[in-house]
Amino acid sequence: GIQVEQSPPDLILQEGANSTLRCNFSDSVNNLQWFHQNPWGQLINLFYIPSGTKQNGRLSATTVATERYSLLYISSSQTTDSGVYFCAVRTGSYKLIFGSGTRLLVRP
Amino acid sequence: EAQVTQNPRYLITVTGKKLTVTCSQNMNHEYMSWYRQDPGLGLRQIYYSMNVEVTDKGDVPEGYKVSRKEKRNFPLILESPSPNQTSLYFCASSFGQNTGELFFGEGSRLTVL
Repeated sequence: GIQVEQSPPDLILQEGANSTLRCNFSDSVNNLQWFHQNPWGQLINLFYIPSGTKQNGRLSATTVATERYSLLYISSSQTTDSGVYFCAVRTGSYKLIFGSGTRLLVRP
Repeated sequence: EAQVTQNPRYLITVTGKKLTVTCSQNMNHEYMSWYRQDPGLGLRQIYYSMNVEVTDKGDVPEGYKVSRKEKRNFPLILESPSPNQTSLYFCASSFGQNTGELFFGEGSRLTVL
């Protein structure tokens, strides 16, 4: 089956710093989403981005489907950005396959 | 507001006592699914439904049942819960079967003693 790998697994930032999270996938996908799981366990949709680039405030994402990767950019990080960031892909099997996540801690 | 609603959000129960976790979406989505999340194992799919009266097993269906009698509702039933079903459960829905943005509920934290 398709493999989804995220890097780095852990990231510690000082408030105000920028970061890039990466998601690699091993096969063609129908869609790709980025989620943020906050400390209370809620999964927050960040981007639905099977290809191209999108921006939402301090966050932006780029997916290059032909090269099988996606990047999530966080600029001017805040403590509320802490949590786990998941990349998830969908193929023709109806299933959403999650990467193992990047755990982010933003220190004040 | 478009949303997926799960209930209960938190539940502590005992082994063998049947329980149902409800899931409802107001977006007229065809596809609905249940996941469980466990430390070190990530999110794993339990069951999914492509439309009313159409359901299928995911990766970890043992010990669970589902039904899809109405488009908006997709309850998860634990007929005889066991401690290994202690987990964080998520319901999700999307318009399409394998395309389209997937929306998640807020999660239901279940503890089976």
